[in-house]
Amino acid sequence: EAGVVQSPRYKIIEKKQPVAFWCNPISGHNTLYWYRQNLGQGPELLIRYENEEAVDDSQLPKDRFSAERLKGVDSTLKIQPAELGDSAVYLCASSSGRGVRETQYFGPGTRLLVL
Amino acid sequence: AQKITQTQPGMFVQEKEAVTLDCTYDTSDPSYGLFWYKQPSSGEMIFLIYQGSYDQQNATEGRYSLNFQKARKSANLVISASQLGDSAMYFCAMREADSNYQLIWGAGTKLIIKP
Repeated sequence: EAGVVQSPRYKIIEKKQPVAFWCNPISGHNTLYWYRQNLGQGPELLIRYENEEAVDDSQLPKDRFSAERLKGVDSTLKIQPAELGDSAVYLCASSSGRGVRETQYFGPGTRLLVL
Repeated sequence: AQKITQTQPGMFVQEKEAVTLDCTYDTSDPSYGLFWYKQPSSGEMIFLIYQGSYDQQNATEGRYSLNFQKARKSANLVISASQLGDSAMYFCAMREADSNYQLIWGAGTKLIIKP
């Protein structure tokens, strides 16, 4: 079974430029998460989707970040314009089912460097 | 207040020795789950093991076991017979039933296995 796929793996851009990350979850997983992970820290949730619906986006900086999950499968996270502080690893995860036992499976992440 | 505390920022362990990574948590929710993830330098977050608050036995998965002490609110990860490939960051995380199922992460422990 294929895991969570993310692209690109690495991205270097100049500040004020736009950038987009793509995620394809594990087949059949209806829940999709985007996280940001700064160096030396645990992941920070940006947004959670249940199928097409964004059910938790309280941590998403909506002035510059946007996300979509059309058709409830793959998802795109966009930053426009990027700032120096956006340099981080952006992780996508997916899961099936609900409850405390729900296990999230992660992709390899996209390492973003903003110059 | 920190909900997940990992007190060991870094550890060095000799190959083939057992290693214990500490995790304490804080919750008043009787229903919760605890997770351990491994993050190698490649960046992918790999699920290792899960323990539910109502589980009667400590979880085990191959060389990984969880020393779950509910009264002390600790969920330490034990890796038996460590290998060079175990060198990575290790994160403890918790999900509470009352928290909209958000995963709360610790700061991680960097484990280095010495040959």
